Amino acid sequence: KQEVTQIPAALSVPEGENLVLNCSFTDSAIYNLQWFRQDPGKGLTSLLLIQSSQREQTSGRLNASLDKSSGRSTLYIAASQPGDSATYLCAVRGNYGQNFVFGPGTRLSVLP
Amino acid sequence: EAGVAQSPRYKIIEKRQSVAFWCNPISGHATLYWYQQILGQGPKLLIQFQNNGVVDDSQLPKDRFSAERLKGVDSTLKIQPAKLEDSAVYLCASSYPLAGGNNEQFFGPGTRLTVL
Repeated sequence: KQEVTQIPAALSVPEGENLVLNCSFTDSAIYNLQWFRQDPGKGLTSLLLIQSSQREQTSGRLNASLDKSSGRSTLYIAASQPGDSATYLCAVRGNYGQNFVFGPGTRLSVLP
Repeated sequence: EAGVAQSPRYKIIEKRQSVAFWCNPISGHATLYWYQQILGQGPKLLIQFQNNGVVDDSQLPKDRFSAERLKGVDSTLKIQPAKLEDSAVYLCASSYPLAGGNNEQFFGPGTRLTVL
């Protein structure tokens, strides 16, 4: 059974810092991995989706990498801004038609 | 393009009462998902529909939860009777299943349920 963990659970940084969020999964037979952002009281917004054949994806200040063999993905946020404050979730979809399994999220606070 | 719509946004009920949530997916999206997100946790899939058929309901507590998508568009999730541990945010998502595609999911704003 796939299990997804995220470290750290919470992170507080000053504005302008570059930061890395980590996602680990136990079963490397994945189809793809998706990073989401969730603002308080809101639904999930898709940030980046990485197919199992890809090593990384980039969108603006965000870069997500995938290392299937080690069961890890990282989300890199460059030059963080207060507007980046949110909970960041990763979700993994298995190879055999399984649905997404979500991690518990990392709650990020970027201080002005 | 309009996003996934959900209603109500908030609901407070007493335990043992019934409650229903509604979801309207993005137009053209054949796949619809209902998730339960307990505070401090990631979403957990309750049920997945492909058009009006159930694909996966393995984590749906069928003694009290039910869901339907009669015409393959809108969906309703019902809890009857509710328990305290059902307090959570209920998220609806939809995707357009392309063969060999990534099935990216798009989420609605969620319904926050409080059971007293």
